[in-house]
Amino acid sequence: NAGVMQNPRHLVRRRGQEARLRCSPMKGHSHVYWYRQLPEEGLKFMVYLQKENIIDESGMPKERFSAEFPKEGPSILRIQQVVRGDSAAYFCASSPPGLLAGIYEQFFGPGTRLTVL
Amino acid sequence: GQQVMQIPQYQHVQEGEDFTTYCNSSTTLSNIQWYKQRPGGHPVFLIQLVKSGEVKKQKRLTFQFGEAKKNSSLHITATQTTDVGTYFCAGQGGTSYGKLTFGQGTILTVHP
Repeated sequence: NAGVMQNPRHLVRRRGQEARLRCSPMKGHSHVYWYRQLPEEGLKFMVYLQKENIIDESGMPKERFSAEFPKEGPSILRIQQVVRGDSAAYFCASSPPGLLAGIYEQFFGPGTRLTVL
Repeated sequence: GQQVMQIPQYQHVQEGEDFTTYCNSSTTLSNIQWYKQRPGGHPVFLIQLVKSGEVKKQKRLTFQFGEAKKNSSLHITATQTTDVGTYFCAGQGGTSYGKLTFGQGTILTVHP
């Protein structure tokens, strides 16, 4: 049973380029969460999505960042015009469906390490 | 907004010694979860506490949730070198289901 998959695992971009991070949740999971982790810091919530819906985006920067979870395919976190401060590890997590899905444990993917030169 | 503070930030112990990390939330939590992250790895779920005053054990690990559901602790008895890593608490509060607010983590080093 495959876990949460993220790709790429490592991504290098130059300032001003776009970064696209992909996340495939565990089989049967329909809730996806994105977190950002700076070196030696905790994880900061960014966004919570269900299929075709953004449930909570309170942690997303107002500009340059967007996320989607289409009906088919992986969830995408998109960062436009990257800056050096965007360098971090971006983790995706998923949880099972259900009315109380939001209180289940979250299963994390291996992360994408983004480096902005 | 909700904040979760975790102490200590670093802890060095000799193998066989005990270890405790503490977590405090600025608001009452609906539940608290604990995760472990190895260097270069991703967070791995350890446990979830839901009830006020709840205590759960997993072998050498003991987890507690405070009566007011605002604080929690993780205690490891007789640490082993395999316990090294960063331990995070993460709280969910109020009606903000889904969103986990993480503490800063405690980095545990175990010296053989």
